[in-house]
Amino acid sequence: DAGVTQSPTHLIKTRGQHVTLRCSPISGHKSVSWYQQVLGQGPQFIFQYYEKEERGRGNFPDRFSARQFPNYSSELNVNALLLGDSALYLCASSLGPGETQYFGPGTRLLVL
Amino acid sequence: GENVEQHPSTLSVQEGDSAVIKCTYSDSASNYFPWYKQELGKRPQLIIDIRSNVGEKKDQRIAVTLNKTAKHFSLHITETQPEDSAVYFCAARKGWGKFQFGAGTQVVVTP
Repeated sequence: DAGVTQSPTHLIKTRGQHVTLRCSPISGHKSVSWYQQVLGQGPQFIFQYYEKEERGRGNFPDRFSARQFPNYSSELNVNALLLGDSALYLCASSLGPGETQYFGPGTRLLVL
Repeated sequence: GENVEQHPSTLSVQEGDSAVIKCTYSDSASNYFPWYKQELGKRPQLIIDIRSNVGEKKDQRIAVTLNKTAKHFSLHITETQPEDSAVYFCAARKGWGKFQFGAGTQVVVTP
């Protein structure tokens, strides 16, 4: 039973660099959402994709972008990294945008 | 947009006692309310959810109640066990919109 997978598990970058995070949804799930979780807080919505199209965007700057591929996997890109981008980045998949979401293990990003 | 407030931020209970966490939401059109449990260093795991056409849902020791008039929903854990210790998050969603999460409740169950 393969759940949501994310890579890499951990990442260390320096300010100004670029990062790409990857997510593979549960088989059969066509919607992927990305969240940022800062220590001690709840997940904050970044993007939702469904059938390769952006369906929703949270209050994040344009440095954050994402895309979904034909196999429904997804990438989250963050440019010009800031110290404040340090967080756990969670991917969640669902059958569709209105369905129950299941989270991946996350990618822990540290920006120095 | 939707705003979700969660209380308390920390909750310490004796093993065997009950734990109750409450969330309030702002958008009366919200219609789906999941609860997630997150253990240290692990992913949030869905433990129970409720839709707006239902007032209460139960799964073994866990139950969720929804009061649409007051715009709040609560998680009830009975007969708590040490393995219930974790951070619990509530969330609310309107239609196909984004999920808005609460800030989380750290539950500590002491033997």
